[in-house]
Amino acid sequence: LAKTTQPISMDSYEGQEVNITCSHNNIATNDYITWYQQFPSQGPRFIIQGYKTKVTNEVASLFIPADRKSSTLSLPRVSLSDTAVYYCLVGEPDRGSTLGRLYFGRGTQLTVWP
Amino acid sequence: DSGVTQTPKHLITATGQRVTLRCSPRSGDLSVYWYQQSLDQGLQFLIQYYNGEERAKGNILERFSAQQFPDLHSELNLSSLELGDSALYFCASSPLGGGDEQFFGPGTRLTVL
Repeated sequence: LAKTTQPISMDSYEGQEVNITCSHNNIATNDYITWYQQFPSQGPRFIIQGYKTKVTNEVASLFIPADRKSSTLSLPRVSLSDTAVYYCLVGEPDRGSTLGRLYFGRGTQLTVWP
Repeated sequence: DSGVTQTPKHLITATGQRVTLRCSPRSGDLSVYWYQQSLDQGLQFLIQYYNGEERAKGNILERFSAQQFPDLHSELNLSSLELGDSALYFCASSPLGGGDEQFFGPGTRLTVL
C-alpha cells in the first residue's frame, strides 16, 4: 500500500493561498491521487483527483511532480468556511480485473483565521 | 446530499453486544467502503466490497464483518463490542473502486457504554 504523510495541522488567514503537501514515496504506477475535505461530524467530500502534472477545478488545484512521490493541494484565497481536515488518498481504480488499493492519510487540519 | 444513506444515525449499546450498521450506496455504484473514525485514530479504512465481493481489507478487527448483498446495499456487523469501538462509522460508494471518487454517507455514531 502506498502510505501517505501529511502535516498534522496548518494555519492560514482569509484571502491567502494554502498549499498542503502529501508525501507518497511508494506510489505505484497505476495509483491515482485524490484529496478529500471533511467537516466535523460529516463524511469526507471529494475535492480533486489527478495522476500527473497539474489538475485544476473550480475549488482547487493539484500539483504532481514528475516522480509522483508527492502532491500538493492548492486552495486559492481561503475563507473561514475552508476550515476542515484535508485527506490525501492514494489508490488504484478497480476496473474489475485487479484489486483496488487505497490508503487515507491521517489528514491535515487546516484552520483559517479572520 | 451524496446519495449514500446510512442507518441508524445514532446507536447506543452496551459492551459485549452486537450491532448491525446498514448502508445503501448511490444508484449505480458497485463499490462500497466502510470506515471507522475515532478521535484518536483518524479515518481508518476497514473494508471494501465490489459488486458483492470483498476487494480490499484494511484495519478491520476479527470481531467485525461485512457483506454486500445482491441489491448492492451493505451491512457492517460489529460483535463483542468494547468501549473502544465507540466511533463514527462511515460508508462510501463509488462507481468502480480503488482510486475512484468516493461518495460518503452521513455516518452512524456508535456509542458503547
